[in-house]
Amino acid sequence: DIQMTQSPSSLSASVGDRVTITCRASQSISGYLMWYQQKPGKAPKLLIYAASALKSGVPSRFSGSVSGTDFNLTISGLQPEDFATYYCQQSYNRPRTFGPGTKVDIK
Amino acid sequence: QVQLQESGPGLVKPSQTLSLTCDVSGVSISSDVYYWSWIRQLPGRGLEWIGYIYYIGTTYYTPSLQSRATISIDTSKNQFSLKLTSVSVADTAVYYCAREEYGLDVWGQGTTVTVSS
Repeated sequence: DIQMTQSPSSLSASVGDRVTITCRASQSISGYLMWYQQKPGKAPKLLIYAASALKSGVPSRFSGSVSGTDFNLTISGLQPEDFATYYCQQSYNRPRTFGPGTKVDIK
Repeated sequence: QVQLQESGPGLVKPSQTLSLTCDVSGVSISSDVYYWSWIRQLPGRGLEWIGYIYYIGTTYYTPSLQSRATISIDTSKNQFSLKLTSVSVADTAVYYCAREEYGLDVWGQGTTVTVSS
């Protein structure tokens, strides 16, 4: 199985901040990387697919990028509704695997 | 609008079989574009992919659950199902069904299943 790691595991930020979360896979996954947002008691919501493609309807302050073997999710100008837990997931092969999550809370 | 809705017992006794159904609306489950997935989330934990099924019945399961999980599809009812045998308290979780195309792009709201005697 491909192991996914995320850093940091949690962070505190203020409204308006720029926040970056990093995900790394235990082997090459090409660009088969997704980002999800989950709020308490709710199902995850797909934000980014194929590492950098923004799902329709997702605000443009969310962006995905690749730097070497690191996949990054950046929120440019954190909004109150963005406080949540973020997960990465690979779909390069099976089984699909998720990162452990990054909780973004209010400073 | 595509919607997925899980249903099934919220309480299952240890050693019994967990059975859940996902009703799909707004899209045909017979489409050759999508995989139909089950994911679970243990209490206070992250997400665990259980497996998926393709419209022709092809399945794949995560190795740790492969011996106990069965995903099936009923195209006449536009639904797919999960059975997990020999459950234990460790299977207590929120179970989600989801559609996969480029990522898991549509999710059900989730259903909580508690394993307890």
